[in-house]
Amino acid sequence: AQSVTQPDIHITVSEGASLELRCNYSYGATPYLFWYVQSPGQGLQLLLKYFSGDTLVQGIKGFEAEFKRSQSSFNLRKPSVHWSDAAEYFCAVGAYMDSNYQLIWGAGTKLIIKP
Amino acid sequence: DGGITQSPKYLFRKEGQNVTLSCEQNLNHDAMYWYRQDPGQGLRLIYYSQIVNDFQKGDIAEGYSVSREKKESFPLTVTSAQKNPTAFYLCASSVETSGVYEQYFGPGTRLTVT
Repeated sequence: AQSVTQPDIHITVSEGASLELRCNYSYGATPYLFWYVQSPGQGLQLLLKYFSGDTLVQGIKGFEAEFKRSQSSFNLRKPSVHWSDAAEYFCAVGAYMDSNYQLIWGAGTKLIIKP
Repeated sequence: DGGITQSPKYLFRKEGQNVTLSCEQNLNHDAMYWYRQDPGQGLRLIYYSQIVNDFQKGDIAEGYSVSREKKESFPLTVTSAQKNPTAFYLCASSVETSGVYEQYFGPGTRLTVT
């Protein structure tokens, strides 16, 4: 069955430090992969996506993610975090289920920034 | 500005009452979705619609109903049959990009039922 795992419920990082959020997926076909960010009480904003081609994708707000097929992973990275990056981050896989396209979501990782 | 509007942002209801959450988009997207979000959980799909006058149940459709009479609108009714209706509800719409649907989200409605 298709699934997305974000193994870290919370991550705490000092401001200015680098960040990596993990995402592993289970899907039989070529995955379409997404990272979204959600500020408290808000909707979700698309950070970046991978459909095909270059496995290192750049997104908004200085984020990037790397697709590794051999590891079934799509980890999100940022070289230097800012206090404004504190939010919840969701990884998702686009999949066709019963001929209908849906997103399968991870449970999210809450990013806490230490001053 | 194009976008997705959800109203109201906060909604309070008494147990046993039906309540309808509004979702409007002016992005000209064909597909629309309703998700439920509970603390510490990911998004769970309630209903989705890929075209006007057609919709499908998601993973947790029991106790909810929808309609799609217009392309721009996809209201969600939380009925009294929904056992735990208090949650954050997110509406989304999607557009095809290179054969894949990219979802855009509204700001959400927080429903509290007491």
